[in-house]
Amino acid sequence: GDSVTQMEGPVTLSEEAFLTINCTYTATGYPSLFWYVQYPGEGLQLLLKATKADDKGSNKGFEATYRKETTSFHLEKGSVQVSDSAVYFCALGIPTGANSKLTFGKGITLSVRP
Amino acid sequence: DTGVSQNPRHKITKRGQNVTFRCDPISEHNRLYWYRQTLGQGPEFLTYFQNEAQLEKSRLLSDRFSAERPKGSFSTLEIQRTEQGDSAMYLCASSLGTGQGVDFGPGTRLTVT
Repeated sequence: GDSVTQMEGPVTLSEEAFLTINCTYTATGYPSLFWYVQYPGEGLQLLLKATKADDKGSNKGFEATYRKETTSFHLEKGSVQVSDSAVYFCALGIPTGANSKLTFGKGITLSVRP
Repeated sequence: DTGVSQNPRHKITKRGQNVTFRCDPISEHNRLYWYRQTLGQGPEFLTYFQNEAQLEKSRLLSDRFSAERPKGSFSTLEIQRTEQGDSAMYLCASSLGTGQGVDFGPGTRLTVT
């Protein structure tokens, strides 16, 4: 079945450090890929998405490129801020599937120190 | 656009009691989903509606769980004879179509004592 694997956390960085959060997937079809973020005390929010191979999703300084050859969708940011502290979830959905439900990874907690 | 809303936000109940949660999706969204999230895990799919039709249920959804979306607008999720293992955050989400991601509500945190 479809699955998403995220790197183990938590991750702690100093402000302005470079961030990479790894995500790989297994899917039987041609998935769309997503990163969701959950800030403390808030609900899940869509951060960025990519719907086909080689697409790059970007938002709020975060980027992720859909790599079909390595089945990956790693999240990157060049300079993190304290306000980026949150839990990050990688997810996939099959757009041609009957319901386009999302399959999530376990999430990783990012803490950014001033 | 007021987003997806869920009520109640928190529910504490004793084992064996029944509970019901409500979700109001974004008004123009025809697809509605229920997920469950436990500590340290990502959300897990429970069930999906397109308009008023329940089109898929996960194996996670035992026969103690039932969901409805009677007029294709709001939805309810009922858990009968709650067990401690049902303690989790129950998330509702809605969307317009496929491949675009979904909008999540704030969740209902259930604690079964």
